[in-house]
Amino acid sequence: TQLLEQSPQFLSIQEGENLTVYCNSSSVFSSLQWYRQEPGEGPVLLVTVVTGGEVKKLKRLTFQFGDARKDSSLHITAAQPGDTGLYLCAGSTSGTYKYIFGTGTRLKVLA
Amino acid sequence: DAGITQSPRYKITETGRQVTLMCHQTWSHSYMFWYRQDLGHGLRLIYYSAAADITDKGEVPDGYVVSRSKTENFPLTLESATRSQTSVYFCASKQGAGNTIYFGEGSWLTVV
Repeated sequence: TQLLEQSPQFLSIQEGENLTVYCNSSSVFSSLQWYRQEPGEGPVLLVTVVTGGEVKKLKRLTFQFGDARKDSSLHITAAQPGDTGLYLCAGSTSGTYKYIFGTGTRLKVLA
Repeated sequence: DAGITQSPRYKITETGRQVTLMCHQTWSHSYMFWYRQDLGHGLRLIYYSAAADITDKGEVPDGYVVSRSKTENFPLTLESATRSQTSVYFCASKQGAGNTIYFGEGSWLTVV
């Protein structure tokens, strides 16, 4: 069974601070995605990375896919209260269309 | 533009009862998924489907049954509900060639 472990599980920081969330697995993924989930809603896609070593930026968010395509990171610069939410990574292995989700990182940004 | 809708949104049922959670999508997406979300476990895949009449087990299929007679519907049935099936259930769909998974708003199920 492939597992996606995220760390940290919980993170509470002050507005303006930087943070990094990690997503690790022993499996190789053909693509890896990051989602953000607000309370009472379903997850919403932030980004998809497919190439080892790929870096994508979405405003203050930077996503990186590991060279071996087994891990990924999400870095937020100058966090804002609006970044508060549950961040989930999800991976799909080659030849399948199912996506396995990580355990999640719950982020709270204090004003 | 309804997108993907789940019903009921909230349900309380008793142990041993059969419960069906409905999922309907208006995009004609090929792929559909059922996940459950529990604290500390993230989202766990229950069942998924590539097309009508094609379904497959995910990570935690025991105690659940799915069907997909029409592309737009993907109901999830708990044959005999147990307390461990108390959870938030999310239905999702994906276009064949696309990467984005679109989620419903979730169904909160409590088994007492």
